[in-house]
Amino acid sequence: GENVEQHPSTLSVQEGDSAVIKCTYSDSASNYFPWYKQELGKGPQLIIDIRSNVGEKKDQRIAVTLNKTAKHFSLHITETQPEDSAVYFCAANLYGQNFVFGPGTRLSVLP
Amino acid sequence: GAVVSQHPSWVICKSGTSVKIECRSLDFQATTMFWYRQFPKQSLMLMATSNEGSKATYEQGVEKDKFLINHASLTLSTLTVTSAHPEDSSFYICSAETDFGGYTFGSGTRLTVV
Repeated sequence: GENVEQHPSTLSVQEGDSAVIKCTYSDSASNYFPWYKQELGKGPQLIIDIRSNVGEKKDQRIAVTLNKTAKHFSLHITETQPEDSAVYFCAANLYGQNFVFGPGTRLSVLP
Repeated sequence: GAVVSQHPSWVICKSGTSVKIECRSLDFQATTMFWYRQFPKQSLMLMATSNEGSKATYEQGVEKDKFLINHASLTLSTLTVTSAHPEDSSFYICSAETDFGGYTFGSGTRLTVV
């Protein structure tokens, strides 16, 4: 089955700097890669996703890149703000089947 | 669009009692819903997949007689934790497959069994 690894587990950056979180997956059949932001006591919120036929996707300060050959994908947050502080989860799946989540990254943006 | 409403957001119950958690898709029909469990500072772990009108598919190690899932309509799935024990205390989250090819999550339910 699918296995998703995520690094780093914790990340602290200064406000305004960029943050990068990386994930690797094992099942080459996976074709959908979402990123979720989870604030304390709340459910995960989708912030960006990418499908296997695309190499990069950007939405304002957030971007995701996918390298299918190497089976890894990354989340990039630019111009970080304190409200970006949260736990971020990557996930991978073959569309229509259940997700496998990474272990999460706790991002702290220091003012 | 594609909102999943999950209730209650938190619940405290006594050992031995049962608790029902509801997930409703508000503006779309959810043929498939997923139920996850999350322990503090850990990732989400899939418990079961429910398909409208059929029996849920449980992940290995999840007791189907303890965690009863019902998906009787295209907009409602319920998870009932039966004979709850303190070790069942956790954060439970549902998600649904949306019409436009994505997935959306409920806000979660924090269950505390005392």
